[in-house]
Amino acid sequence: EMQLVESGGGLEQPGGSLRLSCTGSEFTFANYAMSWVRQAPGKGLEWISGISGSGTTTYYADSAAGRFTISRDNSKNTMYLQMNGLRVEDTARYFCAKDKKVADWLSGILDLWGQGTLVTVSS
Amino acid sequence: SYVLTQPPSVSVAPGKTATITCGGDNIALKSVHWFQQRPGQAPLLVIDYDSDRSSGIPDRFSGSNTGDTATLTISGVEVGDEADYYCQVWDSRADHPVFGGGTQLTVL
Repeated sequence: EMQLVESGGGLEQPGGSLRLSCTGSEFTFANYAMSWVRQAPGKGLEWISGISGSGTTTYYADSAAGRFTISRDNSKNTMYLQMNGLRVEDTARYFCAKDKKVADWLSGILDLWGQGTLVTVSS
Repeated sequence: SYVLTQPPSVSVAPGKTATITCGGDNIALKSVHWFQQRPGQAPLLVIDYDSDRSSGIPDRFSGSNTGDTATLTISGVEVGDEADYYCQVWDSRADHPVFGGGTQLTVL
């Protein structure tokens, strides 16, 4: 069964850094663009970053640009989100998700999601 | 960026039809995708490209997209359909996907 598992969340102080990981299994990871989507407590979904299957193209929402960096290591079937300069408003559950179609660009049609990892930013 | 507007909540009795709208400027020119998120769970893709059901999604779920409004219709609503529903499109100016604010479906 295809699966995505996120890790790396936790409690961090404002201004601090965290690196999230997302590992995929039972599908050819390198063939698919991937995304990070977050959900603040009691709020809706917010797409924040995506990366093409090859890793050559990255995409960012304004809320993430300049502070967050997305990357992937296809040899490890893993995608990362390096989050720097964390703010209280970054507190959320962070989901990784896979694009539906095989392509080396992001479509945002997300057909497989992990269960998420919780990031709390607080002093 | 492109803004998608959804009603915060929709209520429907079991067996009836629920209609969830997603408004956007000339949204008919875009492909709209719909996600279901049950409490405590990850989102699930239910409809893509306006009206194509994902694998395993019952045909009670259907979608349409005209003018400034895309619509997710759930016929014969069941208690298990209670969830938050999100529409999503590709924002060509921002060059990334955007979600609507979500609609909480309550089955009375």
